[in-house]
Amino acid sequence: EAQVTQNPRYLITVTGKKLTVTCSQNMNHEYMSWYRQDPGLGLRQIYYSMNVEVTDKGDVPEGYKVSRKEKRNFPLILESPSPNQTSLYFCASSPGGGLRPLHFGNGTRLTVT
Amino acid sequence: SQQGEEDPQALSIQEGENATMNCSYKTSINNLQWYRQNSGRGLVHLILIRSNEREKHSGRLRVTLDTSKKSSSLLITASRAADTASYFCATCNAGNMLTFGGGTRLMVKP
Repeated sequence: EAQVTQNPRYLITVTGKKLTVTCSQNMNHEYMSWYRQDPGLGLRQIYYSMNVEVTDKGDVPEGYKVSRKEKRNFPLILESPSPNQTSLYFCASSPGGGLRPLHFGNGTRLTVT
Repeated sequence: SQQGEEDPQALSIQEGENATMNCSYKTSINNLQWYRQNSGRGLVHLILIRSNEREKHSGRLRVTLDTSKKSSSLLITASRAADTASYFCATCNAGNMLTFGGGTRLMVKP
């Protein structure tokens, strides 16, 4: 089944404790992206990747890192999480950036205390 | 930065009625897409309409695009309780990036 898999689904952590949210897609898509969703602010793009070893900042990249060492994986790294990074995070992929429909993962709800 | 802005922010209708949601945007686009999100879940793609298209249909969904007014509408006909969700428009700009609007929360009462 074609899908984007994010893990974990829920994560509660403390300020400053490094964490990684994994994202994997099995559709051989070149494009992958991370979004965060906050009430009243819609979806905001954090980072995106057009292909392996190619990553770019989105609208809200501060406090986040990503890597794209393999086509299928695009992990989101929070080196030193802070409470303002409490949010619902989504990974998405597509075969052609915004020219084609995005496939979304089921989300990771992160709480930083 | 939000490109698309949905209107209304929230909509409540009875089952069987039609639901219309609007999306306005500011800059030129390659395409405009509509997505649906059930509470707290991942977004699901509904329809993509290209800038040279004016109308597209998919089942009970009808999307129109007016590039001169920089606006789009999503019509759901004969709504069902299962259509209750949030609906987002997303615009693809010249850089092939998708920017999402804030969404419309639709509630369909049985």
